[in-house]
Amino acid sequence: QSVLTQPPSVSAAPGQKVTISCSGSSSNIGNNYVSWYQQFPGTAPKLLIYENNKRPSGIPDRFSGSKSGTSATLGITGLQTGDEADYYCGTRDSSLSADVVFGGGTKLTVL
Amino acid sequence: EVQLVESGGGLVKPGGSLRLSCAASGFIFSNAWMNWVRQAPGKGLEWVGRIKTKSDDGTTDYAAPVKGRFSISRDDSKTTVDLQMNSLKTEDTAVYYCTTNYYLSGFDIWGQGTMVTVSS
Repeated sequence: QSVLTQPPSVSAAPGQKVTISCSGSSSNIGNNYVSWYQQFPGTAPKLLIYENNKRPSGIPDRFSGSKSGTSATLGITGLQTGDEADYYCGTRDSSLSADVVFGGGTKLTVL
Repeated sequence: EVQLVESGGGLVKPGGSLRLSCAASGFIFSNAWMNWVRQAPGKGLEWVGRIKTKSDDGTTDYAAPVKGRFSISRDDSKTTVDLQMNSLKTEDTAVYYCTTNYYLSGFDIWGQGTMVTVSS
């Protein structure tokens, strides 16, 4: 299983808001920036959020990120059918097993 | 255009070896820490390893499942980074992505991925 814990799936109706949680520990989220990635089937991941709450150029402000302690949250407002994708959180880790860790991913369904 | 293009994937038997390559363009490759991330079929993302820039000593780090079997090297003159995979196991079957955190602190540039299948 993944070092970071995400819900396997979330769903909401078009126009609504959804949040995706990412839980870790002091060796990863607690002391490092969190990034979020969006991935459509058969394509490479795309950076959505970096440094907990910053959006790369071109990412709509419907996407937001936050972090508190050893957990992080991705928020998406004004849901669109085109937002249906897998979402992953990622961060550095100070353990010996891996320098970078990801969550198991969350499948977003826009009903 | 900023781009990463992986190559070298394919079918290999357990215990075999394979070498993946990633060609970079559109940015100053010698300034980039280069990473490999893999994704097993139907599974999530897993960090494989990284090579730092030569100015940062060019050292490598690996995830525990591949340490001692995989090695990463870079050629700044060719702007390529390679992943040498030895003693392959069925659980190494995955799409392998080349990625870097060049402009931002997250992985902001990704290749399209190359599929590696380890099967007898």
